[in-house]
Parts: sequence; structure tokens; C-alpha cells
Amino acid sequence: GAVVSQHPSWVICKSGTSVKIECRSLDFQATTMFWYRQFPKQSLMLMATSNEGSKATYEQGVEKDKFLINHASLTLSTLTVTSAHPEDSSFYICSAGGLLDRGSGEQYFGPGTRLTVT
Amino acid sequence: DAKTTQPPSMDCAEGRAANLPCNHSTISGNEYVYWYRQIHSQGPQYIIHGLKNNETNEMASLIITEDRKSSTLILPHATLRDTAVYYCIVRPLYNFNKFYFGSGTKLNVKP
Repeated sequence: GAVVSQHPSWVICKSGTSVKIECRSLDFQATTMFWYRQFPKQSLMLMATSNEGSKATYEQGVEKDKFLINHASLTLSTLTVTSAHPEDSSFYICSAGGLLDRGSGEQYFGPGTRLTVT
Repeated sequence: DAKTTQPPSMDCAEGRAANLPCNHSTISGNEYVYWYRQIHSQGPQYIIHGLKNNETNEMASLIITEDRKSSTLILPHATLRDTAVYYCIVRPLYNFNKFYFGSGTKLNVKP
């Protein structure tokens, strides 16, 4: 149980275009989802927290108009990278929390999406 | 911001126990210690968490010092598949607080 999927697993796009990444909790309802970015040989950096039905909260330094997050249901959150540039190329990872019935408080992570902007 | 300190890398022989230390000297009374690992180009995987008592599950054991300022993750019989970056994270339980990842420890399990 507690499986989180991401789609696509990798994507290549041209500079200036927008890319949408989906994060789904497959077998549980996630009241909170988190988005991370990871550059090569670096740790995960938290970008934003999304709660179902409300606006996402962004970490300091993360442009909310560039990284649009929508959490329309308890099983789906999307991250849209708008007007992507080569410096946005990275590994994007989502996680889901809010598993009160499990009583453990851990987050479950998706497999990640590799974005390459040319 | 990350509140933990870990060695950047460690080596371990296959079949031997891997002991990964973590320093969290500023931990608060309501904060748990979580361990995750990330195998190359995959999402992090939950390993174990604890508050003050030692914990054990099918993957690992977690030893937390009495003053809670440090902990050790123990993989009892490391295999090549345990080669990964291991992250120690502190955060409160049940309030959906964020996970802030530090730099982690790269564990290299060698044949």
C-alpha cells in the first residue's frame, strides 16, 4: 500500500514551453502533497506544499508564478513548469502525507520525473 | 532547514552491519527522527522512524541516544542493493510538517 506515482517519468521540452507533471496517490487519500526538486549530486530541495482544495504554499525563493501547483482532489496534484528554461532541468519528486489512519506520519515519495529543457 | 548532520560517505562490506550515524543536537521534544534512503535516480524510500525508544522493523534498527541528540541507523546485513544515499530527518509527527533534507550519507556496500 501507500503507492505514489508520477507521470511522466521523463520529459524533454523546448525552452519557452510549459510542462505539466502529475502526482497521484494510488491507494490512499493524501490531504497534503509536497513537491521537491533535485539537481545532480545534490539533496532534495522542498519547493512547495499543496493541500487539497486550497492554494499551495511555496518555500522561500521558489517562484509561484513559474511553478504552478494544483491539488484538485485527494489523489492528484499537478506541477506545471511554465516557460521552462534550461536551468529548470532537474529531477522533480512529489510526496504524499496525511495518512492519519496509518499512524506513522511518514511521507511516501513518487519515483520522480526527469525534466530536460533544450 | 535541515537540522541534522551526517557524514558524507561510508563504506561497508557486503554481509556486514552498516551503522549510519546522525547528529541532531537541536532536536525538540515533539520531533521524531525519520530515516529515508534514495537509490540512484529514484524517489526516497521510507525506512524507519522513532521518538526516543529504539525501533526495529524488517529493514533496519534505529538507536536513539538517551539525550536524543544523536541516532544510528543499523542495517544488520548489508547487501549490494543497500547502496544508496541515506537521509536522517527530524520533524514533528501528525502535523504534516515538511521534510527538509540534509546532504545525507552515501553508503557504498562493497563485495
